[in-house]
Parts: sequence; structure tokens; C-alpha cells
Amino acid sequence: NAGVMQNPRHLVRRRGQEARLRCSPMKGHSHVYWYRQLPEEGLKFMVYLQKENIIDESGMPKERFSAEFPKEGPSILRIQQVVRGDSAAYFCASSPERTGELFFGEGSRLTVL
Amino acid sequence: DAKTTQPTSMDCAEGRAANLPCNHSTISGNEYVYWYRQIHSQGPQYIIHGLKNNETNEMASLIITEDRKSSTLILPHATLRDTAVYYCIVRVLDSGGYQKVTFGIGTKLQVIP
Repeated sequence: NAGVMQNPRHLVRRRGQEARLRCSPMKGHSHVYWYRQLPEEGLKFMVYLQKENIIDESGMPKERFSAEFPKEGPSILRIQQVVRGDSAAYFCASSPERTGELFFGEGSRLTVL
Repeated sequence: DAKTTQPTSMDCAEGRAANLPCNHSTISGNEYVYWYRQIHSQGPQYIIHGLKNNETNEMASLIITEDRKSSTLILPHATLRDTAVYYCIVRVLDSGGYQKVTFGIGTKLQVIP
């Protein structure tokens, strides 16, 4: 049973470009969480999604950031018009239910030049 | 707005037991205590969880006080590979409601040769 898969593992973008980060949850998991981690800081909650629904996006910046988890395919975290401050590691986690253990991917590291 | 407090950092000699404390004085009756660790910017890894009884698995032991306001994660024989940031969180374990999963800054454990 493959774990949570995130890609790309590393992404470099210039200011103003778009970044798309993908997360494939574990098989059978329909709940996905996205977290952001700045260097030397803790994990910051961004958004919680179920299939086709955003349940809690209270941690998402109001502009430029969006997330989706379609019926088919991976969850996508999209960052438009990236700025240097968006440089961070973005972690995805999945769980089989609303509650319980979270299974994390290895993260996607975004660098904005 | 993490519901737990942990020391920022700790050292432990290799081969000795590492005891990592966590305070969760506002824990609710249906909230479990979960521990995760993050090794050098990898994805966080689940360690153990418990409600009120002490728990043990192949990785660690979890001791929860009788009033459930604090707990201790014990790594019985710390190795250099246990050097990581350890996160203590509280989380409900029933499917009735939703609860945002918030991580604090954790405890940075340094195992010393």
C-alpha cells in the first residue's frame, strides 16, 4: 500500500509564475490536509478537504492560494503569482476518516527566485 | 493556537531513555493525545497515540497522567536516528465532528553520541 505521494518534490519558480503542487492520498483515504512549513518553523495548517469539498480553508492566505480535491485524481494546491515569501515546504497528509491518524507525504519544496 | 505546550529543545545521551513532556491542560474527554516526529525536514511520522491508559509500541511508550492534563513520550533507548522534532497534539477520535489539526513548534530532540 503506497503512502501519500507528493510531486514535484522540488519546484523552482520565478516571481509572478504559478506553482501547482499535487498530492495523491493513500488508497482508501478521502480526507486531505495541506500544511506549510517555513525554514526553522513548525507546521502551519492551510486547508482540509474531502472529495470535491473544501471543509476548512481557514489557514489559506486570502489571495493567490487555492486548493481542490476532485472526484478523480490528486489534490492540487495552486499558488498564483508566487512571491519570495511563498518559498517553503508544503506537506500533504491524508486520513481515512475525519479524525484519527494523519499520514504525511515527504513534502514539496518550493523555491521562488 | 495549538492546544499543547512542549519544551523547545532537549538533549539526550545515546542509549539512554529520552523523556519528552507535553502539557495539554485543556484537553477534552474525547480527545486523544498523538505524537509525531519530523526528522530533518522529512514528512512527519506518526509515533503513538492514547486516550487515558499508557500505551506502548515498537517505537515508544506514552504515559498519560491520571487527570490527562499532561503526558510523556518515552524513547527507551535513544539512538542518533531519533534526533528530530517531536510534536504532541490532541485530536478527537470519533467521526461525528471536525477538528482542525494544529501543530505547535514541537520539541527539538538532539541525541548526543
